[in-house]
Amino acid sequence: GAGVSQSPSNKVTEKGKDVELRCDPISGHTALYWYRQSLGQGLEFLIYFQGNSAPDKSGLPSDRFSAERTGGSVSTLTIQRTQQEDSAVYLCASSLVPGQPTREQFFGPGTRLTVL
Amino acid sequence: DQQVKQNSPSLSVQEGRISILNCDYTNSMFDYFLWYKKYPAEGPTFLISISSIKDKNEDGRFTVFLNKSAKHLSLHIVPSQPGDSAVYFCAASYLSGSARQLTFGSGTQLTVLP
Repeated sequence: GAGVSQSPSNKVTEKGKDVELRCDPISGHTALYWYRQSLGQGLEFLIYFQGNSAPDKSGLPSDRFSAERTGGSVSTLTIQRTQQEDSAVYLCASSLVPGQPTREQFFGPGTRLTVL
Repeated sequence: DQQVKQNSPSLSVQEGRISILNCDYTNSMFDYFLWYKKYPAEGPTFLISISSIKDKNEDGRFTVFLNKSAKHLSLHIVPSQPGDSAVYFCAASYLSGSARQLTFGSGTQLTVLP
């Protein structure tokens, strides 16, 4: 597709379960970013990939959060043993040249995660 | 510690009038500022940006002003249209290593009344 896609669009899970969120970046974009937006909050940076490696994981809120990227394309954000405070919209963005001013970050529609 | 702050969670403006959205930041290392617009159930889309070496950037109805001494930027929309109703996020970045990350404000819901 032409844009960044994310799946699922909505996910409802029970506390303690694991979830996987998927991001398909724009073809050819080498940089991939994960953000989350909690209710009433701004977008919070989680992790950044350059190719398949993640030079900056500083935003991951706890060790229950992990992410990987394979083939320089699709990325999966995994949350283990979900907690209610993990409920948020998780947004993925990609860019062609990571060091350039970030007008070139293109966002997906997000995955709304609800932990009951 | 919020490095980028949007103190007004909402703003209502009459169609045809000016909308002014404000943003303050604390990190002096930020050298590039952006505004994103977000409709419900969609990801943010880039609107306009400004480099720290400038104090104004204009694109059609949208103008961004930067006051570095006050660490303040604003987005002006003139004239405002009902289709402008959305959440507007201010974001700031600086080059760290090989990449730029965006630090976002909490957003301002703009409602343009017909």
